[in-house]
Amino acid sequence: DAGVIQSPRHEVTEMGQEVTLRCKPISGHNSLFWYRQTMMRGLELLIYFNNNVPIDDSGMPEDRFSAKMPNASFSTLKIQPSEPRDSAVYFCASRWTGGNQPQHFGDGTRLSIL
Amino acid sequence: QKEVEQNSGPLSVPEGAIASLNCTYSDRVSQSFFWYRQYSGKSPELIMSIYSNGDKEDGRFTAQLNKASQYVSLLIRDSQPSDSATYLCAPDLTDKLIFGTGTRLQVFP
Repeated sequence: DAGVIQSPRHEVTEMGQEVTLRCKPISGHNSLFWYRQTMMRGLELLIYFNNNVPIDDSGMPEDRFSAKMPNASFSTLKIQPSEPRDSAVYFCASRWTGGNQPQHFGDGTRLSIL
Repeated sequence: QKEVEQNSGPLSVPEGAIASLNCTYSDRVSQSFFWYRQYSGKSPELIMSIYSNGDKEDGRFTAQLNKASQYVSLLIRDSQPSDSATYLCAPDLTDKLIFGTGTRLQVFP
């Protein structure tokens, strides 16, 4: 089975540009999570969806961040405009919430804002 | 108090020794607990899950859970240099997992 697929793997862009990160969850999973990881702050949950509906976006740092899940097989995390402090590794994870199920992570997107 | 507390380490153990990683959590309704391993530059990967009080063994790994004490641990027997990584504890709050900051384990030859 294919795992969680994220793209791009690496992104380098200049401050002020729009950045879009993409995620395809594991087929059959009904929850999707976006995380950000830095050395200073560790793994932070930004937002998660159940059945394509955003449930908790309290971890989204600012209005510059937005996330969508238009269908069960695709989600995006957008940063507009981007800032150097947004540089981090962004992970997407998915799970089935039927009980006692773990989350499965994608390989992550390493984002560098110059 | 943080929801999940782990000693950040590094925890250094010699090859062949037992590594003991500990985690305490504040939420009383957690029913499931997961341990993830994260190598530097990689994504977290699931290595153990535990749902009931007591011990659960899988190869060189043993997870221990004490819900009354809100404590979960991971023991790694016969530690190998390839076990050097950060280990994340994650209680399950039904709709999401809460991750600790992780304990960095270093196994030296």
